[in-house]
Amino acid sequence: DTAVSQTPKYLVTQMGNDKSIKCEQNLGHDTMYWYKQDSKKFLKIMFSYNNKELIINETVPNRFSPKSPDKAHLNLHINSLELGDSAVYFCASSQDPGQNYGYTFGSGTRLTVV
Amino acid sequence: SQKIEQNSEALNIQEGKTATLTCNYTNYSPAYLQWYRQDPGRGPVFLLLIRENEKEKRKERLKVTFDTTLKQSLFHITASQPADSATYLCALDGDSSYKLIFGSGTRLLVRP
Repeated sequence: DTAVSQTPKYLVTQMGNDKSIKCEQNLGHDTMYWYKQDSKKFLKIMFSYNNKELIINETVPNRFSPKSPDKAHLNLHINSLELGDSAVYFCASSQDPGQNYGYTFGSGTRLTVV
Repeated sequence: SQKIEQNSEALNIQEGKTATLTCNYTNYSPAYLQWYRQDPGRGPVFLLLIRENEKEKRKERLKVTFDTTLKQSLFHITASQPADSATYLCALDGDSSYKLIFGSGTRLLVRP
């Protein structure tokens, strides 16, 4: 019954590899997001999608490519991984852009690049 | 650009007391402000939203105030319990309604 589910929960990979993180929400929300939380616990917006359309790309390197095959899914593909990409990545969704009910977050994917 | 500051990295209080967390913002007039709770290893959980035209919002033991003149929101937990120990994040709408900007959080520890 998980509302926003991300897979995998942990990802350890070598520099230069390409990896993907999947996200699915079963809440019927129109808007989905990717956030990055660094080692200092600071949560930073990366992308926002509304009904499969990219709305926000917050100056993220183009090694990061989100894909939304339908409004319930927002996947994140990362090419040529770098050490600085190590962080926890959170997927979230909202009914509207969050003005009334807030965001529902997944439990996060901890990415470690070695 | 918008800047949010939660000016206590950590707050340590005794069970039963009221915890008060502060969120200040600059360079912006948000339409609303939100508060989230985050436990270790988990995603943030939405708690409360307050709009710019609202002074105060309550939910059970939680109370949020919003002072647009001071550019500040206060988050109160009354009769605090050890189970309230977590990191609390404030967030405001950025220059787009599709961009929620988060503060760095305040880690609350409630001692039994």
